[in-house]
Amino acid sequence: GAVVSQHPSWVICKSGTSVKIECRSLDFQATTMFWYRQFPKQSLMLMATSNEGSKATYEQGVEKDKFLINHASLTLSTLTVTSAHPEDSSFYICSARAIRDSGHQPQHFGDGTRLSIL
Amino acid sequence: DAKTTQPPSMDCAEGRAANLPCNHSTISGNEYVYWYRQIHSQGPQYIIHGLKNNETNEMASLIITEDRKSSTLILPHATLRDTAVYYCIVRVDISNFGNEKLTFGTGTRLTIIP
Repeated sequence: GAVVSQHPSWVICKSGTSVKIECRSLDFQATTMFWYRQFPKQSLMLMATSNEGSKATYEQGVEKDKFLINHASLTLSTLTVTSAHPEDSSFYICSARAIRDSGHQPQHFGDGTRLSIL
Repeated sequence: DAKTTQPPSMDCAEGRAANLPCNHSTISGNEYVYWYRQIHSQGPQYIIHGLKNNETNEMASLIITEDRKSSTLILPHATLRDTAVYYCIVRVDISNFGNEKLTFGTGTRLTIIP
């Protein structure tokens, strides 16, 4: 089945550091990937939609200069949390949907990246 | 997208069928019902989806009422590994495009009891 891989799975860093998270579709191509954030005991909240070869679309209230998204190929999207602060500590999850000529293909999710900013 | 209503939590005995309800009374004719689950500290896992007919796969069955205003996800023989938060999501499915969004509600926390 479709596999989405995220790296790293967890990261701890000092306040002010920039952190890059990778999301890869391992056995399929995806023109679109999605980035979510989940705080403890809350549901997933969509942050942005990442489009291959074009600018990402950010949800209302998400700072595009804070959360930089690059989707350079059909199998890789990256999320960079710039100048991270403790309030950015969260569980970041990406998803992707395979390109198909027909049929209904669901989104598949990575296992998430737990980010802790000290 | 239509909103969904799910009970916040449910318990089910191991080995029994787990039946998770979802109400989506404002669903439109072109909106599909999707089910995902999230095991603790992992990303969501796709389970099943359907439009109006009942669906079954290796993981679960999806029963959609005739008026499509509600549905039930059935895990036929629940195991301890099925303990998770289950999300029912309705949205339009655009087959040839990958740019649709999923809006997650609070889901149902299913606990399988040994």
